[in-house]
Amino acid sequence: GQSLEQPSEVTAVEGAIVQINCTYQTSGFYGLSWYQQHDGGAPTFLSYNALDGLEETGRFSSFLSRSDSYGYLLLQELQMKDSASYFCAFEYNFNKFYFGSGTKLNVKP
Amino acid sequence: SAVISQKPSRDICQRGTSLTIQCQVDSQVTMMFWYRQQPGQSLTLIATANQGSEATYESGFVIDKFPISRPNLTFSTLTVSNMSPEDSSIYLCSVLLQGSYTEAFFGQGTRLTVV
Repeated sequence: GQSLEQPSEVTAVEGAIVQINCTYQTSGFYGLSWYQQHDGGAPTFLSYNALDGLEETGRFSSFLSRSDSYGYLLLQELQMKDSASYFCAFEYNFNKFYFGSGTKLNVKP
Repeated sequence: SAVISQKPSRDICQRGTSLTIQCQVDSQVTMMFWYRQQPGQSLTLIATANQGSEATYESGFVIDKFPISRPNLTFSTLTVSNMSPEDSSIYLCSVLLQGSYTEAFFGQGTRLTVV
């Protein structure tokens, strides 16, 4: 079967660094995506990793280890506006994604 | 990027009735999808909307319950049929644009409450 685990909630202070981990189980795997969703808003794309390693986009970085079925999202220099839910999702078939339950990030001043 | 207009944004419906949700995109779209999200929970793929042909449904979802149309590249509808309170959820349209097969864009969603 398919499964994905990520922490339900994380709290950090403004300016800090936070890492949101994601472990998955699936027979088909193309890549790992991360999405941000503010309350009442649409999910917005952050990153996609098809290969092992670290991808950096501004304050956000995403990592993938295919052999470990593991990835993480790293958020640096946290800002209050980063308070949102972050979803990990693996692509199990071409363009088809399985989403995790999301990690609610609370950024405190 | 893309602007995705989804209508209605919310609705309260009686059990046993049906609701049709519309999704209109302003850009060249390659693929369109429909997801369901319980508030505060994960997104679940319902189906892929195929232009001019029957949608491709994921396990646990059937055409009789969730008929989908996609008459052209940029427009799709999802109908939630014979609704029950268990259908109360947020329904989201998602698209992939030409030239990008990994970045999905989502509509704002339709918040459906069945009473």
